[in-house]
Amino acid sequence: NAGVTQTPKFRILKIGQSMTLQCTQDMNHNYMYWYRQDPGMGLKLIYYSVGAGITDKGEVPNGYNVSRSTTEDFPLRLELAAPSQTSVYFCASRKPDGNQPQHFGDGTRLSIL
Amino acid sequence: AQSVTQLGSHVSVSEGALVLLRCNYSSSVPPYLFWYVQYPNQGLQLLLKYTSAATLVKGINGFEAEFKKSETSFHLTKPSAHMSDAAEYFCAVSVGDAGGTSYGKLTFGQGTILTVHP
Repeated sequence: NAGVTQTPKFRILKIGQSMTLQCTQDMNHNYMYWYRQDPGMGLKLIYYSVGAGITDKGEVPNGYNVSRSTTEDFPLRLELAAPSQTSVYFCASRKPDGNQPQHFGDGTRLSIL
Repeated sequence: AQSVTQLGSHVSVSEGALVLLRCNYSSSVPPYLFWYVQYPNQGLQLLLKYTSAATLVKGINGFEAEFKKSETSFHLTKPSAHMSDAAEYFCAVSVGDAGGTSYGKLTFGQGTILTVHP
């Protein structure tokens, strides 16, 4: 049972480059989320999705885009990488019932130089 | 709007001592509350959750937390620390789907790093 899988695990980008962080889950969860984690700041919500074709902004969406073409996949795209986007990115998913916990992937560690 | 405050970014205890990690929340509707643990270079793992069924919640690895509405707190405790408990701990709040259109979005505290000394 793989759960939530994120790729790549590590990546170094140059300023201005673009990349897509991949996230896939095999639990048939409707809800999916992207967070970024910065030291001493906890996790901040970037985007979320409540089902295929439906996405919405979270607390810190600037500089990112998402899509949700299938229930399983929820990729996060950085179009023009900036040093402020250096962070650890986590994808999560959960069932739509009110008290269900989110299940997290192992994260993508991204450095932008 | 909901918010979470974790008191103390670093907590250090001796092996076998009581662990107490503090969490206070703010929510305009009855909240769902969660504690997650993060080991180095890993994702977040659920320790326990409060969903209004009982105010004292037991989780994995001997941890428990008590919901106190009057104090808006959800502190995490463990009677006897083990070296393997060293990690970062996050408290999170969600109003849940029943409370409106939050779609289970979590608001996290800033995290508390627990160090356990031999």
